[in-house]
Amino acid sequence: DIQLTQSPSFLSASVGDRVTITCRASQGISSYLAWYQQKPGKAPKLLIYAASTLQSGVPSRFSGSGSGTEFTLTISSLQPEDFATYYCQQLNSYPPSYTFGQGTKLEIK
Amino acid sequence: EVQLVESGGGLVQPGGSLRLSCAASGFTVSSNYMSWVRQAPGKGLEWVSVIYSGGSTYYADSVKGRFTISRHNSKNTLYLQMNSLRAEDTAVYYCARVVAAIHDAFDIWGQGTMVTVSS
Repeated sequence: DIQLTQSPSFLSASVGDRVTITCRASQGISSYLAWYQQKPGKAPKLLIYAASTLQSGVPSRFSGSGSGTEFTLTISSLQPEDFATYYCQQLNSYPPSYTFGQGTKLEIK
Repeated sequence: EVQLVESGGGLVQPGGSLRLSCAASGFTVSSNYMSWVRQAPGKGLEWVSVIYSGGSTYYADSVKGRFTISRHNSKNTLYLQMNSLRAEDTAVYYCARVVAAIHDAFDIWGQGTMVTVSS
């Protein structure tokens, strides 16, 4: 199975900062890459699918890009509600399975 | 409103069994891909199983042969039968809808149900 490695694992930033989280795949993948936000005690929330498409209702300060083996999630101007843990996820085609990155915890500096 | 509500978690001894339920509203379970994802305390997300609309099922290697995913169409409910439970199965279990049209992303999640395997 393809492995996903996120970097950094921990990120400390301030309100208003621009931050970027990277997700690297162990081999080239199609655009079956999604990003999720999870707050403590809550279920994950879909932010971006197909590597760069914003899920309905998600603020436009979130954006995704990438192809092949390297993908990024960017938050253009951090808001207080953005401090959370972020995961990337992809589909392994056959047999079908799904892989999540290990997560990036975004904390307030 | 589109939502998923899990139930059935609890404390079980190693080697025991438990069945989780996930009741859907606002959409039809049998017409969608549905999955279970778990999260051990303080850890990341781990995919567990998926059932496709055609009925095909797939499992993570860590649960293969012990867990069974199924659905009840008239109850619009997804299930996860968990047998031969181990301490390492302790986690919050989430059900989620997987949408093929958005590149197999998980767009709707339940609130989660806690499973604790301990003697």
